[in-house]
Amino acid sequence: QVQLVQSGAEVKKPGASVKVSCKVSGYTLTELSMHWVRQAPGKGLEWMGGFDPEDGETIYAQKFQGRVTMTEDTSTDTAYMELSSLRSEDTAVYYCATPSTIVYDFWSAPIWRYFDLWGRGTLVTVSS
Amino acid sequence: QSALTQPASVSGSPGQSITISCTGTSSDVGGYNYVSWYQQHPGKAPKLMIYDVSNRPSGVSNRFSGSKSGNTASLTISGLQAEDEADYYCSSYTSSTVVFGGGTKLTVL
Repeated sequence: QVQLVQSGAEVKKPGASVKVSCKVSGYTLTELSMHWVRQAPGKGLEWMGGFDPEDGETIYAQKFQGRVTMTEDTSTDTAYMELSSLRSEDTAVYYCATPSTIVYDFWSAPIWRYFDLWGRGTLVTVSS
Repeated sequence: QSALTQPASVSGSPGQSITISCTGTSSDVGGYNYVSWYQQHPGKAPKLMIYDVSNRPSGVSNRFSGSKSGNTASLTISGLQAEDEADYYCSSYTSSTVVFGGGTKLTVL
């Protein structure tokens, strides 16, 4: 049974960085395309970016480019999301999520059709 | 990239049917048959309910169904039950990225 186990809650000051982890069990990370989705308190879901295992590149949502870095440690099957220059609006629950199967289009670009595997979420609070 | 548009709330009585709409553009909902729907109970992670517009993952009740017409996708829940009360989000693939709707709160009266 596949599980995504996320790291615990964090409290950070404005301007700091936070690094959230997501450990995969029941699969190897190389079989998956890990994505990160966040949800501010009382707000909707927001896609931050995802990893293309075909070419080893990560695609970031335009809103977060330059401020977010998603990495993977395949030796421990752990994915990481680091967000820098934190501000109060970054207070949110951060989820790792992945499709259990990936399909590719004619140009070998991944098509992210859905996310059927989710971590439980990590609350990041940004407060002075 | 703008979020997909969903009604903020819908409600229905037990046993009734409700439909939640999700409106996008020809670049997302209208351009691909990769619309998915998620159910989220308070304090829980989202759960996939519908994928590829109208397919149900194994284990999801057949009371949940999806459809699409043009730039608008819809989730219908028939035979409403108390446990269906939750937030629902649509999502669409769009040119190497993913966009979510703003969410709809379903209240079972």
